[in-house]
Amino acid sequence: GIQVEQSPPDLILQEGANSTLRCNFSDSVNNLQWFHQNPWGQLINLFYIPSGTKQNGRLSATTVATERYSLLYISSSQTTDSGVYFCAVDRDDKIIFGKGTRLHILP
Amino acid sequence: GAVVSQHPSRVICKSGTSVKIECRSLDFQATTMFWYRQFPKQSLMLMATSNEGSKATYEQGVEKDKFLINHASLTLSTLTVTSAHPEDSSFYICSARARIPLSYEQYFGPGTRLTVT
Repeated sequence: GIQVEQSPPDLILQEGANSTLRCNFSDSVNNLQWFHQNPWGQLINLFYIPSGTKQNGRLSATTVATERYSLLYISSSQTTDSGVYFCAVDRDDKIIFGKGTRLHILP
Repeated sequence: GAVVSQHPSRVICKSGTSVKIECRSLDFQATTMFWYRQFPKQSLMLMATSNEGSKATYEQGVEKDKFLINHASLTLSTLTVTSAHPEDSSFYICSARARIPLSYEQYFGPGTRLTVT
């Protein structure tokens, strides 16, 4: 089956820093989404981005479908950005999640 | 828009009992609903996919007789954990896909934390 790898697994940054999270996938996909899971477990949709680039405030994402990767950029990090970031790909109605990147922003 | 609710948010039950978890799409019709399980500090594992009016498709290794899924309408799916045991304790999350052609975007519920004592 399709493999989804996220890197880095853990990231600790000072408030105000920028970060780039990566998601590689092993086969073509219909869809790719980025999520932030907050401390209470709620998954928050960040981007629905099967291809191209999108921006929402301090966050932006780029998916290069032909090269099978997606990047999530977080600029000027805030402590509220802490949590786990997942990418999930959809192929043939199967949703596969990566293992996530655990981000910790220090005040 | 695109809100998915789950009920209950937290449940504690005794070993051997059954627990039902509801997943509702509040402001859209969902062609497909998904059920996931998440252990502490791990990723989400897809358990099953359900389409309204048809039987759920279970992932390999998921016991269909233990995790009963019913997708009775375009806005409601239920997961029943039958004869629960402590190893079934986990965080269960549902998601729904809207009835929009060529859209694969999923919307997630807030999750249900099940503890079996």
